[in-house]
Amino acid sequence: LAKTTQPISMDSYEGQEVNITCSHNNIATNDYITWYQQFPSQGPRFIIQGYKTKVTNEVASLFIPADRKSSTLSLPRVSLSDTAVYYCLVGDTGSGGYNKLIFGAGTRLAVHP
Amino acid sequence: GAVVSQHPSRVICKSGTSVKIECRSLDFQATTMFWYRQFPKQSLMLMATSNEGSKATYEQGVEKDKFLINHASLTLSTLTVTSAHPEDSSFYICSAGGKVNEQFFGPGTRLTVL
Repeated sequence: LAKTTQPISMDSYEGQEVNITCSHNNIATNDYITWYQQFPSQGPRFIIQGYKTKVTNEVASLFIPADRKSSTLSLPRVSLSDTAVYYCLVGDTGSGGYNKLIFGAGTRLAVHP
Repeated sequence: GAVVSQHPSRVICKSGTSVKIECRSLDFQATTMFWYRQFPKQSLMLMATSNEGSKATYEQGVEKDKFLINHASLTLSTLTVTSAHPEDSSFYICSAGGKVNEQFFGPGTRLTVL
């Protein structure tokens, strides 16, 4: 699985847009990019997944440039409840079999009032 | 999304005892489940892959005789920490599903070994 690199921590304020960038220089052709959110003492929760260009759902957007060597998770108008650790992972979802997730260090986002 | 439960949510035990943690997929069948361990302020570390009807696959450095995994049905995997010691105190999390975007995580089990 491709290794990912993210900022260790970020700070923001309520109502701001937060962009967390992840580097994955060795991403393979079949790899997808997936982001998870984790609150303290809870299991991670799936946020969004994409392969290329832009993906948007009800909670976030994911921007992936043409070379796919990085991706940016965008959280619009964050609130205090968005304070969490965000993990970027890459892996193959198309093989038809399971694919184990190897978590990097993640980005600890702190949203302030 | 699909629901994965863990039991117990937290457990305290004495050093030398064994502790069993259950992971259940409540509304779907999971031929594969994963077990992770997470220490405070650290990321999740994959311990093993639990395969229904066959032996688990352990990650490098994880003792298979200490962390016994049984995946006896399509909805249940158990992790038994044998002869637990204080250094085994951690947050244990399971996930179920197959593909990357279909893995659902349990709420975790906080193990404290005295």
